[in-house]
Order: sequence, then structure tokens, then C-alpha cells
Amino acid sequence: QKEVEQNSGPLSVPEGAIASLNCTYSDRVSQSFFWYRQYSGKSPELIMSIYSNGDKEDGRFTAQLNKASQYVSLLIRDSQPSDSATYLCAVGSNFGNEKLTFGTGTRLTIIP
Amino acid sequence: GAGVSQSPSNKVTEKGKDVELRCDPISGHTALYWYRQSLGQGLEFLIYFQGNSAPDKSGLPSDRFSAERTGGSVSTLTIQRTQQEDSAVYLCASSQSNSPLHFGNGTRLTVT
Repeated sequence: QKEVEQNSGPLSVPEGAIASLNCTYSDRVSQSFFWYRQYSGKSPELIMSIYSNGDKEDGRFTAQLNKASQYVSLLIRDSQPSDSATYLCAVGSNFGNEKLTFGTGTRLTIIP
Repeated sequence: GAGVSQSPSNKVTEKGKDVELRCDPISGHTALYWYRQSLGQGLEFLIYFQGNSAPDKSGLPSDRFSAERTGGSVSTLTIQRTQQEDSAVYLCASSQSNSPLHFGNGTRLTVT
């Protein structure tokens, strides 16, 4: 049984600070890793994907992957109130199209 | 262009009735997925269609659930003899080869 674990939160971060979201996964052969953002009542939207160990930066977002520790994280710099949402970690076994295993999500609140 | 379209957006049904949920994927996307999200939970994989290949039905929770995809485009998820535990948001997603999943806005199913 593949598992993806996230702290459900809520995680409260002051505006302008760095928000750090963490995720661990159980399947060692996992190859693809994604962070989705989901606003209340809305569908998930992809914000980051990462496939190799190390850091990947896109604007204010940085994804970090450590396959040896089976750990993936998302950093949000200069947090804004609009970043308040639930962040879902998703893990896949291949690099291409395939079903993803999702965590239960971390609810993030940015405090103005 | 148009995104993934799901209908109905909300469905209230009585226990024991059958329901059909519809998904129109993004044009040209070969892969189509159904996920289920219960209140406060992560996304639970249900079924995956890829081109003309046999679908991956490994996530369907019981034989009351079935899905088909006609002509490689529109998909219908059918739940027979609905139970209260079937209440959830049913999300459809589509993707092209090696591209991220694009989710629809979901169908909120309530079984009374």
C-alpha cells in the first residue's frame, strides 16, 4: 500500500515569512513528485513538479526532494494571504502518465 | 482553451438510487482519471483511462462503481445503489503524455 503522509495543519505563517510544507512517502521506487494547491471548494491546481534530488525553484516556490530520505517539501517565500489554501503532495511511480497517490493535504493560513 | 468540464456540479440522491457523473476532458488529452475526495481527506484514486488501453480500475471501491470512456473522450462514472459513504466530491482530471493533470471542478455528491 503506497502512502503519502502530510501534517494536516493548520499551519499559520505571518505574511512575508517563509512557509515550509513537508511530505513523506513510502514507495521507494517513486519517481515523480508534485505539489497541488487547492482553495476551499475548488479543484486542485498544479504548482510544482520535481523528479530529481535537490531543489527546484519557480518564482516564490521551491520544491525540495530527497529520495534517500523519501521526503519532499515545498517552501513558499514572501508568503501572501492569497497563498492561504490546502497544499496536496502527490507521488507517482513513473515519469509519465500514471495514477498519483495523494496525501491528505496541509492547510496553510497566511496571517496578514 | 476550455478546461475539464464536469456535470452536474452538485447531485443529491436518495440512498439506493443510481447516479451518473460526466466528465469532458480537455480536447486531445489521451489520459483521463477519476478521483474521489471526502470531506477533509486527500484524493482517492478510482480509475484511469489511457488511450485505447484497458482502464486501470484498481481504485474502484466496490462493484457498485463503474466507468466508461466513449470514443476516447467523454467519460461517465456510474455508482449503483448509492450508499451514504459514497458522499464525496468526485474529481475528473485529464492529461497529455508526460504532462501534469488538469482537474475539473468536481461533482459534489450527497447521498441522503
